[in-house]
Amino acid sequence: DAGVIQSPRHEVTEMGQEVTLRCKPISGHDYLFWYRQTMMRGLELLIYFNNNVPIDDSGMPEDRFSAKMPNASFSTLKIQPSEPRDSAVYFCASRERGSGLDTQYFGPGTRLTVL
Amino acid sequence: DQQVKQNSPSLSVQEGRISILNCDYTNSMFDYFLWYKKYPAEGPTFLISISSIKDKNEDGRFTVFLNKSAKHLSLHIVPSQPGDSAVYFCAPNTGNQFYFGTGTSLTVIP
Repeated sequence: DAGVIQSPRHEVTEMGQEVTLRCKPISGHDYLFWYRQTMMRGLELLIYFNNNVPIDDSGMPEDRFSAKMPNASFSTLKIQPSEPRDSAVYFCASRERGSGLDTQYFGPGTRLTVL
Repeated sequence: DQQVKQNSPSLSVQEGRISILNCDYTNSMFDYFLWYKKYPAEGPTFLISISSIKDKNEDGRFTVFLNKSAKHLSLHIVPSQPGDSAVYFCAPNTGNQFYFGTGTSLTVIP
């Protein structure tokens, strides 16, 4: 398996523009998580899905952020409109419960810069 | 409200010596504790874990200690190697959620 795939790896945009981050989880994993990493707050959980259904979105900073998981192999995190304070590295992770080793597998991340 | 704190943002250690990374948490409901390692431009990768029913787990050069009464977790790496230079996150877990600390950047000096 190729692991968790994220695209793009880097995104530079201007304030006010819409940004869409994409994630393909590991096949067979039934949980998908979106995280944001900043120097000040480390890795923050934004939202997670179980079997494509959003379970907890309490970490989503505000209404400008939205996430979808239309099927088991694809998820998006959208920021509209983007602001400079959204600049961070965004990670997607997937997890399979009951697999023995209860851990999450992370993608390489998307580095977002909002000018 | 940070439930997980890694109070040392960085740590430098000579090759061959012991590295000790610390983590404090506040939520007594955490029942499973993990450490992740992260290299630049990569996602975090799982390193070692410990269940709340144990106080020590060892895997090769890596040992994790759990002190539940103090709500304290530590990772020992011995001997430290230059390839261990990375950012280390502790990640306590309860239910479906992992709560990550802010990370400690370890530099192992050859």
